[in-house]
This record gives sequence, C-alpha cells and structure tokens, in this order.
Amino acid sequence: QAQLVESGGGVVRPGGSLRLSCAVSRVSLSNYGLHWIRQAPGKGLEWMAFISKDGSTEHYADSLKGRITISRDNSRDTLFLQMNSLRVDDTAVYYCATDWPVNWGQGTLVTVSS
Amino acid sequence: AIQLTQSPSSLSASVGDRVTISCRASQAISSCLNWYQQRPEKPPKLLIYHTSTLESGVPSRFVGSGSGTDFTLTISSLQPEDFATYYCQHCNSYPYSFGPGTKLEMK
Repeated sequence: QAQLVESGGGVVRPGGSLRLSCAVSRVSLSNYGLHWIRQAPGKGLEWMAFISKDGSTEHYADSLKGRITISRDNSRDTLFLQMNSLRVDDTAVYYCATDWPVNWGQGTLVTVSS
Repeated sequence: AIQLTQSPSSLSASVGDRVTISCRASQAISSCLNWYQQRPEKPPKLLIYHTSTLESGVPSRFVGSGSGTDFTLTISSLQPEDFATYYCQHCNSYPYSFGPGTKLEMK
C-alpha cells in the first residue's frame, strides 16, 4: 500500500508563506487522487483540498480558497500544498492522503507565530 | 457546502458496552459517508466507507448504517483499544467535510 511522508512544516510568521510536500512511495502517484487535511491542536479534522490523478482538477474548501494551492508532480511522486498569507489559526498538523484506497501520512506540524 | 454534525460530542462507556454515534448531514447525501477512528497523536484510520462497508482488517464489531441525512456508527462490544475519537466524513460532492468528532472515553 502507499506510504506517504509529509515535510516542510515548521515555524512561520503571520503573513508568511509555506510550501508543504508529500512524498509517496511503494506505488505510482499517478494512480491516485490526493487530499490535504489539517488538524489544529486539540481540534477536529478539516478537509482542505483535492487534486485529481493527472492534476487537471482541483477542489478547495470554501474557507481556504484563494490562499492555498494544491499541485502535484507525478514524475517525482510528490504532492504539494502552497499556503500564503498564513495566520495564527493556520497552526495545525497537515496530513496528505490518497483518495482510494485511503492511506494517510503521519502529518507535518505548521506553527504560525510571531 | 454540506455540513456534518455528530452526536454526542463525547461519550463515557465501559468495556463490553454497545455504543452508537450519530452523524447528520445538512442535506441528503449519497452513501458516500466514511467513518474514521483517531487515537491521540496518530493520523485517522478509516473504519467504514460507503456508509456500511468495513475497511479491510477492521473488526466486525464496527457497524455503519444510514441513508439520506442520518448515519450511525455502532460498536457492538467495546474493547479497550476502541477508546478514541471518531469522525464521519462525506464524499458526496466537493468540498468534502468532516464532522466535529465524538470522543469516546472510558467510564
């Protein structure tokens, strides 16, 4: 089954930008639609975005549209999430997940703080 | 966008109990309703998909049901490893969303 490893998290100042990566192994990335989901500390899960297998279709949560961009590079088996204008309430663990079969990564923590 | 609510938000129960968690959608959705289990500091684990289909390896004490706007997850006989937080998620149409979660605690 697919193995997913997120990276790129860390501490960023409010107003800053960050690009997260999700490396997929053991399978060919081009066989999967992919999601980003996040979870603020002590809070529930928030679905963020989806990208189709070939990257031709993207969907976003209404609350995040315009601030985030999901993309992928199938040749590198990597998924990306570009986040701009970061706010304190964007602090969360960010997970990538395959569409079907469902597999999740372990997550990467993003902390937005001055 | 479709909103999901869950009840109860928390639940205290004992090993061997039967528990039911409800998930209600703001509008009728297809059978594309999933249930996840999350233990502390771990990513969510898919338990049930398409309302009632058990993910491979998930014990049969987990049962999903429902239709329209009302869905339930029933655990027939709680085991110690079942104390966790449970989320429903719809995949009816984009944007997807999760319910707020139900925390199942040991009494």
